[in-house]
Amino acid sequence: SQTIHQWPATLVQPVGSPLSLECTVEGTSNPNLYWYRQAAGRGLQLLFYSVGIGQISSEVPQNLSASRPQDRQFILSSKKLLLSDSGFYLCAWSSHGGLNTGELFFGEGSRLTVL
Amino acid sequence: AQTVTQSQPEMSVQEAETVTLSCTYDTSESDYYLFWYKQPPSRQMILVIRQEAYKQQNATENRFSVNFQKAAKSFSLKISDSQLGDAAMYFCAYSPRNTGKLIFGQGTTLQVKP
Repeated sequence: SQTIHQWPATLVQPVGSPLSLECTVEGTSNPNLYWYRQAAGRGLQLLFYSVGIGQISSEVPQNLSASRPQDRQFILSSKKLLLSDSGFYLCAWSSHGGLNTGELFFGEGSRLTVL
Repeated sequence: AQTVTQSQPEMSVQEAETVTLSCTYDTSESDYYLFWYKQPPSRQMILVIRQEAYKQQNATENRFSVNFQKAAKSFSLKISDSQLGDAAMYFCAYSPRNTGKLIFGQGTTLQVKP
């Protein structure tokens, strides 16, 4: 069966510090991968998605970047965090190509607080 | 632009009763998916139900069913025999076929009263 795991679950960082959130998927190959952000009491905003190694699409201009160094690994990064980067970050995957049913499978989420 | 609107920020229901959560969406596509996701306090998103736009029959999963009105671009979720464990935030989501991207509504927080 497929699993998705992201870490760390909770992170408190000072303004101006770097960020690295990691996400890995097991039990499937060549998945589509996504990073979403959820601000407090709000819906989910798509930040990045990737259809393959090294292929990253950004949905909104921001202080963050994403990388996909391996097929089932997706990393969200920042060189210098801003207060506005605080939020709940969700990694997700979906099947690729003809297997895609539209459904996303989500990780447990990472809560980032920037002070 | 493709958007999803949930007009009810909060809803409450008595245990064992029925509640309906509303969702409307805007798109010019004809082939797409619609979803309801549940986000309990643990924060992990869980799929509740899925509907394919080309299917006229409303999807049903146990106590959860939808009322899909394609012409009206409406996709409401009905929860029957509500249970305490149904308390969560519910998100309606839309995905054009073969794009792999979901567009979410703002969410509805459901409270279940014992």
